[in-house]
Amino acid sequence: NAGVTQTPKFRVLKTGQSMTLLCAQDMNHEYMYWYRQDPGMGLRLIHYSVGEGTTAKGEVPDGYNVSRLKKQNFLLGLESAAPSQTSVYFCASSIDRPSTQSEKLFFGSGTQLSVL
Amino acid sequence: RKEVEQDPGPFNVPEGATVAFNCTYSNSASQSFFWYRQDCRKEPKLLMSVYSSGNEDGRFTAQLNRASQYISLLIRDSKLSDSATYLCVVNMYGGARGSTLGRLYFGRGTQLTVWP
Repeated sequence: NAGVTQTPKFRVLKTGQSMTLLCAQDMNHEYMYWYRQDPGMGLRLIHYSVGEGTTAKGEVPDGYNVSRLKKQNFLLGLESAAPSQTSVYFCASSIDRPSTQSEKLFFGSGTQLSVL
Repeated sequence: RKEVEQDPGPFNVPEGATVAFNCTYSNSASQSFFWYRQDCRKEPKLLMSVYSSGNEDGRFTAQLNRASQYISLLIRDSKLSDSATYLCVVNMYGGARGSTLGRLYFGRGTQLTVWP
């Protein structure tokens, strides 16, 4: 009963380094999302995917790339990390698009990323 | 104006108290509304959806006022375990699958502490 799993849980990077965050869901959900959460701000959508092989930009996509090669996995990449990308990152999934009243997002437990 | 605005909080209440949170949203075309709960250093989890007619789930009551574009959450008989941050979430646009995603906007959250 894993749900949505994110790895790693913590990471410290130096400015300019690259890394990939992995999100995996075992609920056969079509939609997957990457959010970031910063103090004093609501969760902001970075990128999302409406199905295997598709990705799209969210509210704050700059500096990030994503891939959805398999339906169950959604990867978030930072090619050249910057201190402004220090944040908590959450992956989420949903059965269908979140414009229906009955829909809900299932979140992973988050990744704390610090860029020095 | 931010898309979703919440009471700044924090709210500190004794056990057994009744507490209410309000949230306003900017887009009159918004279609769906939710309250999520987020415990410290944890992922958000859906608390309840908010329906036009208002809805209740145990000690929790959600109300929607479309004319004034606000949502409320009422917690009766507060428990220590209710201590958390409550996130107001609003969908801003509903699009067909594969086109513009119905995007969820998160408020910054209202922190609630229930003390014995």
